[in-house]
Amino acid sequence: EPEVTQTPSHQVTQMGQEVILRCVPISNHLYFYWYRQILGQKVEFLVSFYNNEISEKSEIFDDQFSVERPDGSNFTLKIRSTKLEDSAMYFCASRGTMGEKLFFGSGTQLSVL
Amino acid sequence: DAKTTQPPSMDCAEGRAANLPCNHSTISGNEYVYWYRQIHSQGPQYIIHGLKNNETNEMASLIITEDRKSSTLILPHATLRDTAVYYCIVLNTNAGKSTFGDGTTLTVKP
Repeated sequence: EPEVTQTPSHQVTQMGQEVILRCVPISNHLYFYWYRQILGQKVEFLVSFYNNEISEKSEIFDDQFSVERPDGSNFTLKIRSTKLEDSAMYFCASRGTMGEKLFFGSGTQLSVL
Repeated sequence: DAKTTQPPSMDCAEGRAANLPCNHSTISGNEYVYWYRQIHSQGPQYIIHGLKNNETNEMASLIITEDRKSSTLILPHATLRDTAVYYCIVLNTNAGKSTFGDGTTLTVKP
């Protein structure tokens, strides 16, 4: 089965530093998502992306966050100035056309020190 | 956007059917119901999804009420490996926001 690939699997950074989390969605998928999961809590929606622009974003996705699909294959999440509370597992997901299933990556564990 | 409500936990005996309910009373016409499960902090694993008709695949069955305000995921013969957190998600097909519920922790017992 096709996979969504996320790199790195673990990222440790200092508070205030910028981080970029990378995702390679499934080829030919059109819709892209980022979610996060703080330890012990539920999965939370961050942002959806379609046709090279943000479709929806949650209240978590403030000005410190941005997404980009720079080269037609990668899909990145950037956090400009990390805070301690940004420590979480970040999941990327993609899907093809409407009504198809959402494929999740295995996540990037971000630890902000 | 539609929110989902699930019981926080359920137990099921191994070999028996597990029936996991989800309430999504504010679902709109273009929103699908998806079910995923998560074991520890792994990426959510797809189980099944549907719009308004009941669905069945090799893993589970999904029963959606006629008014679409609730659904039930059925694992017909639960095994110990089915112990996980099960999430019901309402997904806007127009690439929009998808809301995870709090999930149900299913514990399958021998």
